[in-house]
Amino acid sequence: DGGITQSPKYLFRKEGQNVTLSCEQNLNHDAMYWYRQDPGQGLRLIYYSQIVNDFQKGDIAEGYSVSREKKESFPLTVTSAQKNPTAFYLCASSRGRVNEKLFFGSGTQLSVL
Amino acid sequence: GDSVTQMEGPVTLSEEAFLTINCTYTATGYPSLFWYVQYPGEGLQLLLKATKADDKGSNKGFEATYRKETTSFHLEKGSVQVSDSAVYFCALSDHYGGSQGNLIFGKGTKLSVKP
Repeated sequence: DGGITQSPKYLFRKEGQNVTLSCEQNLNHDAMYWYRQDPGQGLRLIYYSQIVNDFQKGDIAEGYSVSREKKESFPLTVTSAQKNPTAFYLCASSRGRVNEKLFFGSGTQLSVL
Repeated sequence: GDSVTQMEGPVTLSEEAFLTINCTYTATGYPSLFWYVQYPGEGLQLLLKATKADDKGSNKGFEATYRKETTSFHLEKGSVQVSDSAVYFCALSDHYGGSQGNLIFGKGTKLSVKP
């Protein structure tokens, strides 16, 4: 079945540690996205990529980094510079960009130890 | 900038009750409008969409009409079921606005349906 796979489902970070969240899609979609979800805050865009080897900052990119070396993969690294990383992280993809339906993964819950 | 405002939840209804979740938007261009649904512990799924004024999106008994004159896209369902319990997000995509076509989400409205 085609879809988006995020791993791990739960992740714990120690102070000063970088952690990487995985996102893989087999939908052959060009565009991929990372969102952060906080309770009562809706979804906020962290980074997005329209094509391999290219990505753009979203609204809350500080403290995060991404790469897009392969079409199917868009990993997100939460760096030690992100002082409030506890949140639910959602990866999504779409065939194109404007007005396209987004397909979401099942999310990763990141918590700080 | 572009924004989406949803009614605050949680909304608690009995099975077979009528549902309305209000959504209004602010946009500089000509946005497309969406409703996404998130079931517990999962990602979001597209529920319905409308791309221009007066369009009606519908799916699984849910409907929403794009009203440009009131800048609204209210979600309705005539008879809710327990299985409709989820968080509902209104969103817009505005290619000509500052978001460059990225989705802008409302804060979400949690719906609980009791048997």
